[in-house]
Amino acid sequence: NAGVTQTPKFQVLKTGQSMTLQCAQDMNHEYMSWYRQDPGMGLRLIHYSVGAGITDQGEVPNGYNVSRSTTEDFPLRLLLAAPSQTSVYFCASSYEQGGEQYFGPGTRLTVT
Amino acid sequence: ILNVEQSPQSLHVQEGDSTNFTCSFPSSNFYALHWYRWETAKSPEALFVMTLNGDEKKKGRISATLNTKEGYSYLYIKGSQPEDSATYLCAFTSGTYKYIFGTGTRLKVLA
Repeated sequence: NAGVTQTPKFQVLKTGQSMTLQCAQDMNHEYMSWYRQDPGMGLRLIHYSVGAGITDQGEVPNGYNVSRSTTEDFPLRLLLAAPSQTSVYFCASSYEQGGEQYFGPGTRLTVT
Repeated sequence: ILNVEQSPQSLHVQEGDSTNFTCSFPSSNFYALHWYRWETAKSPEALFVMTLNGDEKKKGRISATLNTKEGYSYLYIKGSQPEDSATYLCAFTSGTYKYIFGTGTRLKVLA
């Protein structure tokens, strides 16, 4: 099993550009989530999904869109990148509600 | 707003010392408390998932206790080794699909 994979590992964007961060898992987990990690702050939940076709907002959803067309994939879209979105983004999945989460390797995004 | 707090923020210990840190979380609507270990340049890895008041978990030299009535959990490391150097995160969930993370305790074990 590859576990949770994320691409790209690094990305630099200009303000106003858009892009999609990819996340995939091969463990047949229903629950997937996106977090951002900023210095001095804990991991903050952006969006999550409890299964294909079902998504919901987390703590900091503004500026991001998600969709879940398959169990395996959960892409995160930045619509109009802003410097405030410079962060490290982690995707995670878990088998059950409240269960152990498996994290991807992260994507380091810089918006200039 | 639910808040999860961890203390201390960071600490340095000598190799062989035992140490512990605290995670405080809301005592109402408790479902589970997670501990993760996060090494630099890697991603968080789960250590323990704790669900019952009074629960104690152990993995090698690392153990954790849980008090859901007062809203805290302790993580203990016995005989710290340099390879234990990492950030230790806790996360609270109330049974929704949302996990609230603390900011972590950064541990440095000096050889």
